[in-house]
Amino acid sequence: DVKVTQSSRYLVKRTGEKVFLECVQDMDHENMFWYRQDPGLGLRLIYFSYDVKMKEKGDIPEGYSVSREKKERFSLILESASTNQTSMYLCASSTSLNTEAFFGQGTRLTVV
Amino acid sequence: AQKITQTQPGMFVQEKEAVTLDCTYDTSDPSYGLFWYKQPSSGEMIFLIYQGSYDQQNATEGRYSLNFQKARKSANLVISASQLGDSAMYFCAMIRGNNRLAFGKGNQVVVIP
Repeated sequence: DVKVTQSSRYLVKRTGEKVFLECVQDMDHENMFWYRQDPGLGLRLIYFSYDVKMKEKGDIPEGYSVSREKKERFSLILESASTNQTSMYLCASSTSLNTEAFFGQGTRLTVV
Repeated sequence: AQKITQTQPGMFVQEKEAVTLDCTYDTSDPSYGLFWYKQPSSGEMIFLIYQGSYDQQNATEGRYSLNFQKARKSANLVISASQLGDSAMYFCAMIRGNNRLAFGKGNQVVVIP
């Protein structure tokens, strides 16, 4: 079974902290994605990566950065966490244009 | 940015009836893929069905079918014979040649016995 694993299910961080959300997939997928999900707004794309060390901005990249040093791992970084970044964060991976993406279980981040 | 539109408010559906969820999209790319995902209250994202932009026939997967109207840029999901377990949020998504996968805002479906 394809597995996408996010490092934490729940996180509570303080305003101004640097936050790392980790995502690992075990199926050698080229593409990896980070989304945030908020009620009424659906899934909004933050960043995605189609290869190691390659990254592209999504629709809401402000306040975030990413790192993909190895194919299986895609990290989302909140440089200085703010309360408006409190959200559910979902990581996904896929292999090509015409195959489905597989999702992690999500990380519920609360910034206080 | 590409745009995926799901505008229906929350829907109540009688068990065993069919339901259609609307999705329109906007892209100038000739090659793209369209997906539907289900998210029950447990939060997991479940892949339902895929349609490629060059596919001549509408995709079907069990009780799910996709009504693909390319000229209208429409990719509606049809769920036949609704079951209580179909109660969930449903998301339409599109991926383009640059591997950018984007989602709509979702449709809430509640199946009532």
